[in-house]
Amino acid sequence: AQSVTQPDIHITVSEGASLELRCNYSYGATPYLFWYVQSPGQGLQLLLKYFSGDTLVQGIKGFEAEFKRSQSSFNLRKPSVHWSDAAEYFCAVVPSGAGSYQLTFGKGTKLSVIP
Amino acid sequence: DAGVTQSPTHLIKTRGQHVTLRCSPISGHKSVSWYQQVLGQGPQFIFQYYEKEERGRGNFPDRFSARQFPNYSSELNVNALLLGDSALYLCASSRDGLKQETQYFGPGTRLLVL
Repeated sequence: AQSVTQPDIHITVSEGASLELRCNYSYGATPYLFWYVQSPGQGLQLLLKYFSGDTLVQGIKGFEAEFKRSQSSFNLRKPSVHWSDAAEYFCAVVPSGAGSYQLTFGKGTKLSVIP
Repeated sequence: DAGVTQSPTHLIKTRGQHVTLRCSPISGHKSVSWYQQVLGQGPQFIFQYYEKEERGRGNFPDRFSARQFPNYSSELNVNALLLGDSALYLCASSRDGLKQETQYFGPGTRLLVL
């Protein structure tokens, strides 16, 4: 069955430290891949997306993600975390090609930042 | 331009009642999608509409229905409410409903069913 897995429910990092949030997917073909962020009481905001081409994708707010086909992964990274990055992060996928338009989200990783 | 707007922001209903949630997409966007986000979970896809036609439906019972109007705004209707329908309901819009497009999310409607 098609699925998106975010193995880490909650991560705590110190301000200024580096960050990596994991995302693995299980699809027949490489899907389109997205990372969204949700701050408390807010809707979701797109950080970055990957369809094809360069496997290292740059996004907003200093985030980047790397697509690794061999590992079916699309991990999100940031070299230096700011207190304002505390939020919930969701990996999402949609099948490429014809067919379903359903955007499927992982369960999310909550990021806490220690001053 | 205004972002995606949703109304109401909060709603309390009792079991068995019916609810209508509303969404106005970003100006120029023709596609609207609806998601249910239960506390502690990621959003789950309910419907996508494009040019007033249903393009996709998630794994939700027939109690859930939606429609899109000529001005591209949308309504989500839920009949015979259950306690488990308590959630944040998110609406998202995109210009042409293409898979690669960014979906812009509204702040959501928080529904509590008692």
